[in-house]
Amino acid sequence: QKEVEQNSGPLSVPEGAIASLNCTYSDRVSQSFFWYRQYSGKSPELIMSIYSNGDKEDGRFTAQLNKASQYVSLLIRDSQPSDSATYLCAVRTGRRALTFGSGTRLQVQP
Amino acid sequence: NAGVTQTPKFQVLKTGQSMTLQCAQDMNHNSMYWYRQDPGMGLRLIYYSASEGTTDKGEVPNGYNVSRLNKREFSLRLESAAPSQTSVYFCASSITQGLSDTQYFGPGTRLTVL
Repeated sequence: QKEVEQNSGPLSVPEGAIASLNCTYSDRVSQSFFWYRQYSGKSPELIMSIYSNGDKEDGRFTAQLNKASQYVSLLIRDSQPSDSATYLCAVRTGRRALTFGSGTRLQVQP
Repeated sequence: NAGVTQTPKFQVLKTGQSMTLQCAQDMNHNSMYWYRQDPGMGLRLIYYSASEGTTDKGEVPNGYNVSRLNKREFSLRLESAAPSQTSVYFCASSITQGLSDTQYFGPGTRLTVL
């Protein structure tokens, strides 16, 4: 079992819709969770971090964490074509370096 | 501030050749990382350095060596390149504060081994 799992997609949503990206992780003691966005041919950049159960909102982005289910998600409201990218989930456990999922490719159709 | 810089941006090697990928950061970060990214595989950690003078293996260290030259610089060396090392290589740096661990990535090096 991979430590961090994501559906590779592509996830296709129409412009203005809500995009929902999901991630599961295997280590119950993981403490820190991150979402990175990566445009094609570019390097990843951090868009959200979450450390406690519940929701965390930042503009059009909401990260959701459920440690009991070992599940973290990212919602993008009012999706725009500029949101089309690969979204990488990353998990940190203790003092170890981050473990990344393989990413979900999002396509927002105009 | 330049952030994280990497050289070269592109490189083509023949099997068996060696090369060093250079990485530098000007954000005074303690931790630095080398990843490789292959299609459908996400980012896989090769080596990391939690602080100057220390290095640790990541998920895929075989065939690579690293040097943390000083706080700013972290290099990755391929001693005898193999076609399986064809990939995009990213260097990153971060400063860990409690649970927070924001990594900043360089632009990447596209390496092809023939």
